[in-house]
Amino acid sequence: AQSVTQLGSHVSVSEGALVLLRCNYSSSVPPYLFWYVQYPNQGLQLLLKYTTGATLVKGINGFEAEFKKSETSFHLTKPSAHMSDAAEYFCAVSDTGNQFYFGTGTSLTVIP
Amino acid sequence: GAVVSQHPSWVICKSGTSVKIECRSLDFQATTMFWYRQFPKQSLMLMATSNEGSKATYEQGVEKDKFLINHASLTLSTLTVTSAHPEDSSFYICSATWTGINQPQHFGDGTRLSIL
Repeated sequence: AQSVTQLGSHVSVSEGALVLLRCNYSSSVPPYLFWYVQYPNQGLQLLLKYTTGATLVKGINGFEAEFKKSETSFHLTKPSAHMSDAAEYFCAVSDTGNQFYFGTGTSLTVIP
Repeated sequence: GAVVSQHPSWVICKSGTSVKIECRSLDFQATTMFWYRQFPKQSLMLMATSNEGSKATYEQGVEKDKFLINHASLTLSTLTVTSAHPEDSSFYICSATWTGINQPQHFGDGTRLSIL
């Protein structure tokens, strides 16, 4: 069975500081991993995904994530936070089918 | 990129009313669509998965007769909340994807349903 754990339901960073949002997964098969962002009263927007190949994945808006199999992690980072990054972030894992398992989300606050 | 349109974005209605929410894939054929419910400050709860031309598969605890899902074409799925009550008030989000291993889900903007 697949599951996702997002450590820290709330993260606050100063504008310009490093953003680090943590995601750990459990999967009985090679995982396929996704990060989504949700702005208030909106649906989810895909930030990036890992399926196969390079373990460092670059996404939109300057975000990237690294798949570390040994640590069963897929943490999301951005070198310099911007005010517009304030949102809810969800990590998701999928098996070989279309079933997705979402984490509980991390709310990112950016302090000016 | 893949675009999913969800309508309406916000609906307020009286208790006992049935409400239909539409989810359309605008630039791709969605072989599979998902319906989620999201409570404030919480993650998404999968309600059901629907494949075009087939009956939807509901998650445990989701009432089939309460939440009617129709996926009649490759670009449209509908969720009807029948005889809605205040406890059905929530944010409902659809997503769509197409055949292929680990294609990402593409989400609509959600529908905020408020039952008075």
